[in-house]
Amino acid sequence: DVKVTQSSRYLVKRTGEKVFLECVQDMDHENMFWYRQDPGLGLRLIYFSYDVKMKEKGDIPEGYSVSREKKERFSLILESASTNQTSMYLCASSSWGTGAYEQYFGPGTRLTVT
Amino acid sequence: SQQGEEDPQALSIQEGENATMNCSYKTSINNLQWYRQNSGRGLVHLILIRSNEREKHSGRLRVTLDTSKKSSSLLITASRAADTASYFCATAHTGTASKLTFGTGTRLQVTL
Repeated sequence: DVKVTQSSRYLVKRTGEKVFLECVQDMDHENMFWYRQDPGLGLRLIYFSYDVKMKEKGDIPEGYSVSREKKERFSLILESASTNQTSMYLCASSSWGTGAYEQYFGPGTRLTVT
Repeated sequence: SQQGEEDPQALSIQEGENATMNCSYKTSINNLQWYRQNSGRGLVHLILIRSNEREKHSGRLRVTLDTSKKSSSLLITASRAADTASYFCATAHTGTASKLTFGTGTRLQVTL
């Protein structure tokens, strides 16, 4: 069964802290994504990666960085957390298997920055 | 932004009724997908329709696509309380490889 896991369901951090969100997929997918979800704004793409050590900016990359050292793991880093980064963070992965790139999502991490 | 828009933002129906949600987008697509999100959880892929298809069925789900109007609709027939969730359309745009652009979602409430 397809599985995407995220390191934490809930996380509380202080302003200025460096925050790591981890995502692991067990489907050997080439593509991995980080989104944030805020009420009324839907999902917005932060960064994505289509191969190990490759990354591309999404729509809202400011204040974030990513790391993909292994195919199954994609990390999102908040260099210096701010209160406006309080949000739900969703990780997803996809492959060209059916020629259509359906995405598989993790359960999400609800991050609160105080 | 290429972000799609869904309509209505919220929908409340009784069990057994049909639910229809609409999605509009702005630029040419390769395919359009619908996802469901239960409260506070990740999204689950429901159904995909390619740009050369006009209608697709999966169980109680029916999706239509009108590329001339840049719009799609999701119909859930004979709804159940378990269908209560948020529904999102997502578009894969020509030339953007694996990326999807998500709409803002429709919140569906099905009451007994």
